[in-house]
Amino acid sequence: GDSVTQMEGPVTLSEEAFLTINCTYTATGYPSLFWYVQYPGEGLQLLLKATKADDKGSNKGFEATYRKETTSFHLEKGSVQVSDSAVYFCALSDRAGGTSYGKLTFGQGTILTVHP
Amino acid sequence: SAVISQKPSRDICQRGTSLTIQCQVDSQVTMMFWYRQQPGQSLTLIATANQGSEATYESGFVIDKFPISRPNLTFSTLTVSNMSPEDSSIYLCSVDLAGLAGPAGEQYFGPGTRLTVT
Repeated sequence: GDSVTQMEGPVTLSEEAFLTINCTYTATGYPSLFWYVQYPGEGLQLLLKATKADDKGSNKGFEATYRKETTSFHLEKGSVQVSDSAVYFCALSDRAGGTSYGKLTFGQGTILTVHP
Repeated sequence: SAVISQKPSRDICQRGTSLTIQCQVDSQVTMMFWYRQQPGQSLTLIATANQGSEATYESGFVIDKFPISRPNLTFSTLTVSNMSPEDSSIYLCSVDLAGLAGPAGEQYFGPGTRLTVT
């Protein structure tokens, strides 16, 4: 079945540091890939997405590129802020057989803490 | 996107009781989803709710424990029955706006219901 593996956390950075959170996936079809963010005490928000190979998703300074050859979708940000402290989830959605609604499969989540 | 609300936002319940969680969407959607997020864990899909048909449950989840209603295209409920402390989790509903055509789309999530069972 489909699966998503994220780098183990937690990740602690100083403000303005460079961020990379690794994500690799296994899927039988051609999935869409997502990064979701969960701020303390809140629900999940879509951060960015990519629906085909070589697509780059970007939002709020974060970006990730859909790499089919390495089955990866690593999240990066050049300069993190304290307000970026949250839990980040990598996820994929794959239409089984091409005709059904996609089901989201989540990675285990990575806790990011950014210090001033 | 979609605006999704859930009620209650949190509750503390006694073991052996049941709680019904409501999910309301600001637009008509065909498919809604219910997830569980246990403390410090990722999200696990409980079931998929299509209006006008029985919900489809994932492995490890059964209708007797998590009955779901989907009376119309903007509303769904999830009941957590005969609760035990192991049911303490955040329960989230979501919707898929992408439809059946094209690549699989993102889901939009409600704020979640934080349930504590004592």
